[in-house]
Amino acid sequence: GNSVTQMEGPVTLSEEAFLTINCTYTATGYPSLFWYVQYPGEGLQLLLKATKADDKGSNKGFEATYRKETTSFHLEKGSVQVSDSAVYFCALNTNAGKSTFGDGTTLTVKP
Amino acid sequence: EAQVTQNPRYLITVTGKKLTVTCSQNMNHEYMSWYRQDPGLGLRQIYYSMNVEVTDKGDVPEGYKVSRKEKRNFPLILESPSPNQTSLYFCASSLMRGQSSYEQYFGPGTRLTVT
Repeated sequence: GNSVTQMEGPVTLSEEAFLTINCTYTATGYPSLFWYVQYPGEGLQLLLKATKADDKGSNKGFEATYRKETTSFHLEKGSVQVSDSAVYFCALNTNAGKSTFGDGTTLTVKP
Repeated sequence: EAQVTQNPRYLITVTGKKLTVTCSQNMNHEYMSWYRQDPGLGLRQIYYSMNVEVTDKGDVPEGYKVSRKEKRNFPLILESPSPNQTSLYFCASSLMRGQSSYEQYFGPGTRLTVT
């Protein structure tokens, strides 16, 4: 079956530090890849996505590139803010309707 | 406002007492899905529906039922809840899933406790 493996957390950074959260996947076919963010007490919301190899998704200063050769979709941000503190989920969709999520990585940014 | 709504948001119940968690979306989405979120396990898919009257099992369907009689609604039914179903549940919807590229829109979650 499909699987998504995320870098274990929690991750604690100082404001303006560089962020990387690793994500690798296994899937048959050509899945689409997503990063979702969950703020405390809320549901998940889309952060960015990429639907084919070498696509780069970006939003709010976050970026991730769909690397088929390494089956990876690492999330990066050059300078984090306190407001970026949240739980981040890497996920994949297949055309057949199944979705697979990683375990989530909790990010805390200290002022 | 485009949204996915779930009710109730919080529920405490006892083992064996049937319950239903409702989910509704106002975006005319074909696809809907239920997930449970547990610490250290991320989100796991329970059931999904590609369209009205079409439902399929996700990765953890045991102990759950769903139905999709209308496009906008996708209730989750626990016929005989057990303590291991204590969890945070999310409903989600998206546009047509014949293509994998559409992102999901999530409800606010339902926190269920089974004693």
